[in-house]
Amino acid sequence: GAGVSQSPSNKVTEKGKDVELRCDPISGHTALYWYRQSLGQGLEFLIYFQGNSAPDKSGLPSDRFSAERTGGSVSTLTIQRTQQEDSAVYLCASSLALRGDNYGYTFGSGTRLTVV
Amino acid sequence: AQKVTQAQTEISVVEKEDVTLDCVYETRDTTYYLFWYKQPPSGELVFLIRRNSFDEQNEISGRYSWNFQKSTSSFNFTITASQVVDSAVYFCALTDSNYQLIWGAGTKLIIKP
Repeated sequence: GAGVSQSPSNKVTEKGKDVELRCDPISGHTALYWYRQSLGQGLEFLIYFQGNSAPDKSGLPSDRFSAERTGGSVSTLTIQRTQQEDSAVYLCASSLALRGDNYGYTFGSGTRLTVV
Repeated sequence: AQKVTQAQTEISVVEKEDVTLDCVYETRDTTYYLFWYKQPPSGELVFLIRRNSFDEQNEISGRYSWNFQKSTSSFNFTITASQVVDSAVYFCALTDSNYQLIWGAGTKLIIKP
């Protein structure tokens, strides 16, 4: 696609439920990042994928968070047993390289997760 | 460890004034990249500039200009003749050898008509 696509755009879930957030990066972009942005805050790094290399998971806040990237393209971020503090906008970005490209990192519109 | 500091939480100016947004960074690497992004009220992140550590030339793009000074580890952003449409949160970010794009807390810029 022309841009980074994220779905759903909004998700309301009950505390304790599992959620899956999807990111479809720009075709050909080998680098894919997940970030979390809480209300009025900056972006918090969660995880990145680069090609077939092992992902850098060091930003994941707890073992309830996991992510995978299938076939070097689509990525899914899974949050198990959601808690209210997980409520945030989850942003996905892709790029030609881990250090960005001439267009920086291209971000999706995000998934706004609300845990009630 | 990497760190990006945007000390100005919020700036408010009247339209047509010039305004400078400060960004100070920390990294132990000699090779790194710096970025500025704009986040308008609609929420999307808009890429403004990418600068590598070996290119200290200042850049101008229309009303926007960037001043990169390695000696003070700063990468400041100036908007000349500000307009109401410039109102947004502006983020500075850094990536170095660990590839984790680290972000400042952002500066909320309010341009009053």
